[in-house]
Amino acid sequence: DGGITQSPKYLFRKEGQNVTLSCEQNLNHDAMYWYRQDPGQGLRLIYYSQIVNDFQKGDIAEGYSVSREKKESFPLTVTSAQKNPTAFYLCASSARDRGLKEQYFGPGTRLTVT
Amino acid sequence: GEDVEQSLFLSVREGDSSVINCTYTDSSSTYLYWYKQEPGAGLQLLTYIFSNMDMKQDQRLTVLLNKKDKHLSLRIADTQTGDSAIYFCAESFNTDKLIFGTGTRLQVFP
Repeated sequence: DGGITQSPKYLFRKEGQNVTLSCEQNLNHDAMYWYRQDPGQGLRLIYYSQIVNDFQKGDIAEGYSVSREKKESFPLTVTSAQKNPTAFYLCASSARDRGLKEQYFGPGTRLTVT
Repeated sequence: GEDVEQSLFLSVREGDSSVINCTYTDSSSTYLYWYKQEPGAGLQLLTYIFSNMDMKQDQRLTVLLNKKDKHLSLRIADTQTGDSAIYFCAESFNTDKLIFGTGTRLQVFP
């Protein structure tokens, strides 16, 4: 089955620790994205990557880092510099060779930092 | 500027129609989308409309686009309890980014 997987579904960390969220897709999509969702708010773009070995900051990149070494993988690291890391994190991907830019989403990872 | 707005809540009785509204500010949008998010899950693409269309129907879903007023709506006919979710509208331009609205929480009661 083609799709996007995120793991784990729930993640707990102590304050001051870095944590890496996994995102893998087998849709052969070039572009991948990370969003953060907080209660009562829409999606806010953290980072996105349009091609392997390249990525751009989104609207709220501070305290986060990413890598795109493989087309199918786009891990997100939440660093200790992120002041309020507890949130629901969503990964998405889309094909670049179409005018239609619909994004396909993974199931999300809920991160709780205490 | 890029800004997409939605009302936060909508409550409807089962069997009635639901209309979820969205306004956007950038007239250069190429496509507009509706996504559905069930509790604790990712977003699922429901439907989309190209910016030169006025209406698109897909089974129980009807999308209306008023480009002059920059207004997009999603009508769900015969709303069921399984339709209870958060609905996001989004717009795209000639880039890879989508701009999402704040989401409308639809609650369907018996």
